[in-house]
Amino acid sequence: EVHLVESGGGLVQPGGSLRLSCSASGFIFSSFAMTWVRQAPGKGLEWVSAISGSGNSIYYTASVKGRFTVSRDNSKNTLYLQMNSLRAEDTALYFCAKNKMDGLPSYEYWGQGTRVTVSS
Amino acid sequence: DIQMTQSPSSLSASVGDRVTITCRASQGISNSLAWYQQKPGRGPKLLLDTASRLESGVPSRFSGSGSGTDYTLTVSSLQPEDFATYYCQQHYSAPITFGQGTRLEIK
Repeated sequence: EVHLVESGGGLVQPGGSLRLSCSASGFIFSSFAMTWVRQAPGKGLEWVSAISGSGNSIYYTASVKGRFTVSRDNSKNTLYLQMNSLRAEDTALYFCAKNKMDGLPSYEYWGQGTRVTVSS
Repeated sequence: DIQMTQSPSSLSASVGDRVTITCRASQGISNSLAWYQQKPGRGPKLLLDTASRLESGVPSRFSGSGSGTDYTLTVSSLQPEDFATYYCQQHYSAPITFGQGTRLEIK
């Protein structure tokens, strides 16, 4: 059974940093691209970043480019999102999701999310 | 970016009702459309992909249809566990985009 468990969220001041982690189990982690999706309070879903199974291909939404860095450690079955220069508008519940296929995917498994609050 | 517009934004219905949610893309997406169900405090659950393919384990009361820019999700007979928020997502063109959600509430 596939499990995705996010951690690392919390309260941080504007301009601060956080590192999110997503621990994966139940599938061959290195074989699948992974994605971060966020959901601002009371809002819909927003695609944030994706990384290929090998880690060689990486993508970001425009609003986080240059501030967020996605990475993965396939030996630890863990996905990361390093978030720097955080802004109030980054406040959201952050989900990791397993890509269903290569290319432009749907997402067949999601974690429960980790909450990030950016506020002074 | 492709904009996805869902309607209605919210919907009240009763157990046993048939309901339909619509998702319209700002340009054609060639059936590259997924539907998700989200319950409070949980990640979304993939229900259907490629507009009409039911995911394994999803009850057959859920169905999807559409083509081009217009797609629908239908629940043929609502069950208590179906009251949730539903999202569409296009995976035809980068960046991936989602609809704003349809909240399905008990009448």
